[in-house]
Amino acid sequence: QVKLVESGGGVVQPGGSLRLSCAPSGFTFSRYGMHWVRQAPGKGLECVAFLRYDGTKIYYPDSVKGRFTISRDNSNDTLYLQMNSLRPDDTAVYYCARDSIPYSFGTNAFDVWGQGTMVTVSS
Amino acid sequence: QVVLTQPPSASASLGASVKLTCALSSGHGSYAIAWHQKQPEKGPRYLMKVNSDGSHIKGDGIPDRFSGSSSGTERYLIISSLQSEDEADYYCQTWGTGIHVFGSGTKVAVL
Repeated sequence: QVKLVESGGGVVQPGGSLRLSCAPSGFTFSRYGMHWVRQAPGKGLECVAFLRYDGTKIYYPDSVKGRFTISRDNSNDTLYLQMNSLRPDDTAVYYCARDSIPYSFGTNAFDVWGQGTMVTVSS
Repeated sequence: QVVLTQPPSASASLGASVKLTCALSSGHGSYAIAWHQKQPEKGPRYLMKVNSDGSHIKGDGIPDRFSGSSSGTERYLIISSLQSEDEADYYCQTWGTGIHVFGSGTKVAVL
């Protein structure tokens, strides 16, 4: 069964840091680009990072550029999102998602999602 | 940059059909989109990709009563034989080089 499981969320003070992890199963992780997507309370979905299957970083929106870093360990099948200088408006559920086409540049639909991990930035 | 527009809400009776619309901004009529279902307290679920010619490719395990179509700059998700578990938010998504865009979502109520 193809699955993604996020972890690492929690409560952090403004200016703090947090690292999220995403553990895949049921597919060959190293063949797929991966995304992080967030949903703030009462809001819609927003992509915050994409990383190609081979580790080439492609995308950060301006809202997180310079503060968030996406990385992956293909030998240990794990995706990460390092979040620094966190702000209250980063409060959201964070999902990892799989790019639907292997070995691609990330210009595709997301076809597998995790259940999400909650990040709360508050003093 | 491409923008996706979705009506905020839709409703239909149990057992009826509902057609959701995702409108691409002008000049982006060739774009494919994907539909995702978001139920409360759950991660999003990929439903299907809808191409500009109306062809669609569904995700694994998506029931036959979910289908997609296309007309011009509009992409549609049709849910037939509406069931109570279909009550959810539905988001469309599209993509370009270095960007991924979501619509604001449509909340579907099953009456």
